[in-house]
Order: sequence, then structure tokens, then C-alpha cells
Amino acid sequence: DIQMTQSPSSLSASVGDRVIITCRASQSIGKSLNWYQQKSGKAPKILIYTASNLQSGVPSRFSGSGSGTDFTLTISSLQPEDFGTYYCHQSYSLPMTFGQGTRLEIK
Amino acid sequence: EVQLVQSGGGLVQPGGSLRLSCAASGFIFGNYWMTWVRQAPGKGLEWVANINEDGSGKNYVESVTGRFTISRDNANNSLVLQMNSLRVEDTAIYYCATGGSGGGWHVHWGQGILVTVSS
Repeated sequence: DIQMTQSPSSLSASVGDRVIITCRASQSIGKSLNWYQQKSGKAPKILIYTASNLQSGVPSRFSGSGSGTDFTLTISSLQPEDFGTYYCHQSYSLPMTFGQGTRLEIK
Repeated sequence: EVQLVQSGGGLVQPGGSLRLSCAASGFIFGNYWMTWVRQAPGKGLEWVANINEDGSGKNYVESVTGRFTISRDNANNSLVLQMNSLRVEDTAIYYCATGGSGGGWHVHWGQGILVTVSS
């Protein structure tokens, strides 16, 4: 199985900050990498698919990049509603796997 | 509007069975892969199983292989996860999900349903 490792595991940032979350795959996955945001008690919400494609309706402050084994999710200017846990997800091979999550707290 | 409405969760003893359902509406169900994802209490997301558009292709995470069966009824726009020989470690919120080319990512999610395996 492909292991997905996110860093950091948690972070605290202020409104307006630029936030970067990274995800590393244990082997090359091309661009088969997706990002989700989950708030407590809710289903995950897709933000980015295939590494860099912004899902319709998601604010443009979210962006994704990377290929192969190293990927990043960037929030260009953090907003109060961006708190939650962020997960990367590889769909390159089965079983699909998720990163362990990055908990984002707003200072 | 796309909706995935889940039912069937609850409390079951170890070794027991449970059947989860996911009723879909607002899209052409038979055109999309469907997936089950679970989340143990306080833990991260775990992909469980998926099924292709016509039900001829099914895939499972190793930990549920031989115990869980995913199926779909395209005539009735429904997805099912039959869970047998349940273990304590299967305790989780289970989500059905869909969307994305070839099932590669999950745009639409059900509300989630809690399965508790405990004696």
C-alpha cells in the first residue's frame, strides 16, 4: 500500500497568513493526489483534485501543486472559516489511502 | 441537487452483521463509481471499498476483504455495504461518496453513519 505522510500534523496560524501543508507519498503517484477539508462532525469536502485542479465552488485562495511523491496545499490568505482538518488522498493505486491529517487552528 | 442519504448503522456485537445503505439522487447514478470511506472515532479517513459503474468491478481494503461486500442497484439508485464478521476495530463513521473521473476523487458525500461494534 502507498503510505501518505502529511506535515505538519497540526498548526496554528493567523487570519491573513499564508499556510502550506505538505504531503509525501511512499512511491510516485504521478498527479493522482487530492485534498479534502473536514470540519468536526461533518463529511469531508473536496478542495483540490489531481494535484492542482480547484474544485468548482472552492475559493481561489486554495491551491495545490506537486507531482511524483511531493505535494503541497497552499492557502494564500487564511480566513476564519478555514479551520478544520486537511487530508491528502492518493488515487493512483488500490487501496486508495489518505494522509493522517493536518489540524489547522486559527489563532 | 446531488444527495446521498445513508441508513442502516447502529450497535452490533462482535461477529455480527450490519447492512449499510446509501440512497442517491440528483445525478445519473449508473454513470459513477461509488465508494465507502470510514473514520474511526477521533481518527483519520480510511478508504474501505469501491465499485464501478455497472457493478462488475469491486475493490476492498485488505482488512475487510472476505467480510464486507459492496454492491449497487442502478435501477433503484442505491449502494449497499454488507458487513459480516464485524470486529471492534470496524467501529467507525461510514461515509458513501462519489464523483470524480473513474472514482478517483470524491465530490459528493453522504452524511455519515455510525457503526459501533461492542459487546
